[in-house]
Amino acid sequence: QKEVEQNSGPLSVPEGAIASLNCTYSDRGSQSFFWYRQYSGKSPELIMFIYSNGDKEDGRFTAQLNKASQYVSLLIRDSQPSDSATYLCAVDNAGNNRKLIWGLGTSLAVNP
Amino acid sequence: EAQVTQNPRYLITVTGKKLTVTCSQNMNHEYMSWYRQDPGLGLRQIYYSMNVEVTDKGDVPEGYKVSRKEKRNFPLILESPSPNQTSLYFCASRGLTGQPQHFGDGTRLSIL
Repeated sequence: QKEVEQNSGPLSVPEGAIASLNCTYSDRGSQSFFWYRQYSGKSPELIMFIYSNGDKEDGRFTAQLNKASQYVSLLIRDSQPSDSATYLCAVDNAGNNRKLIWGLGTSLAVNP
Repeated sequence: EAQVTQNPRYLITVTGKKLTVTCSQNMNHEYMSWYRQDPGLGLRQIYYSMNVEVTDKGDVPEGYKVSRKEKRNFPLILESPSPNQTSLYFCASRGLTGQPQHFGDGTRLSIL
């Protein structure tokens, strides 16, 4: 059973701090990794994607991938109350290249 | 604007009354999926389609049907809805392998 695991949280950080969200995956053959943000009752919204080991930065967001250790993380710098949401990690299913395996999400609360 | 459109957004109905949730995408994507999302259970794939006339079961297909007669449309059919199908439903589409998935705005379905 291919799995993606995330700490459910809630992760609570003060406004302006760095929020660090982690995700581990079981399928060693996975090649594509995605972070989505989901507000309550809304649809998931793509935040970042990463394919190669290392860091990828986009504004206040940085995705980090370590394929050897099978983890991917998302850093949010200068966290804002509007970042309060659930963050979903999704990983490509190496056996079925279009299917994504989803984590259950980490709830983030940014306190003013 | 690239988008996935699903309708209706909200529906309250009764047990046994057939219903269809429509989904349409304008990105010429081959791969389309339906998910349901329930508290604590995350996103679970119901059905997916790799292309026109090619559909397959996801992780929770019981009680659902789909069709893919045109590339842009992928309706979800509940022939005889039951209360345990009360949920938040998302349609999604995806292009080439490794590309992110795009979601519709969701359908909140309540079956009494």
